[in-house]
Amino acid sequence: GESVGLHLPTLSVQEGDNSIINCAYSNSASDYFIWYKQESGKGPQFIIDIRSNMDKRQGQRVTVLLNKTVKHLSLQIAATQPGDSAVYFCAEQSRGSQGNLIFGKGTKLSVKP
Amino acid sequence: GAVVSQHPSRVICKSGTSVKIECRSLDFQATTMFWYRQFPKQSLMLMATSNEGSKATYEQGVEKDKFLINHASLTLSTLTVTSAHPEDSSFYICSARDYGGGAGYGYTFGSGTRLTVV
Repeated sequence: GESVGLHLPTLSVQEGDNSIINCAYSNSASDYFIWYKQESGKGPQFIIDIRSNMDKRQGQRVTVLLNKTVKHLSLQIAATQPGDSAVYFCAEQSRGSQGNLIFGKGTKLSVKP
Repeated sequence: GAVVSQHPSRVICKSGTSVKIECRSLDFQATTMFWYRQFPKQSLMLMATSNEGSKATYEQGVEKDKFLINHASLTLSTLTVTSAHPEDSSFYICSARDYGGGAGYGYTFGSGTRLTVV
């Protein structure tokens, strides 16, 4: 469902380390999930997606894991770089919806050089 | 890839006036567009789903008379904030879906509009 929060959780990592960003979703009817990166003052940028019939998908330096049992999604970024600093959101689409995406709370990733 | 252009990127208006934000799909036809609002340090909140040639579907709690949505063509949706008040100050983002596919199941986002009501 929709999320409202006063503060974004922050994850601070050292350059070169791996980052893991987590997301909990609430709608068991959701069958498609996307991770987005949002830089300050810009719109969301697609990173990677996964369908509910999968539990893992890999891209370039990124991996998404889906655990439907506990309704949990994670984004792993390998060898994190300063350019990865941004806010990351997961989004879900429900089966039978008009195709609109519902966004999670977001996590601010800060990469220290 | 699919591109969505959103204008203006920033607008400052006086309280009580109206502001129109445009969202265009540049290289694909979008029968459906979505409008989101984002307050500082918060997530994107879906406001409404805009369907070409028909009325928009608004999310619960969003005033349809205040946030007027028009989707008159397959490449253009507009959001008009009527009688704006300071509490309407926010970052508004549109999204369009390219059913021809593409990364992210065809969802493409505009660059957002920063609205400040003074």
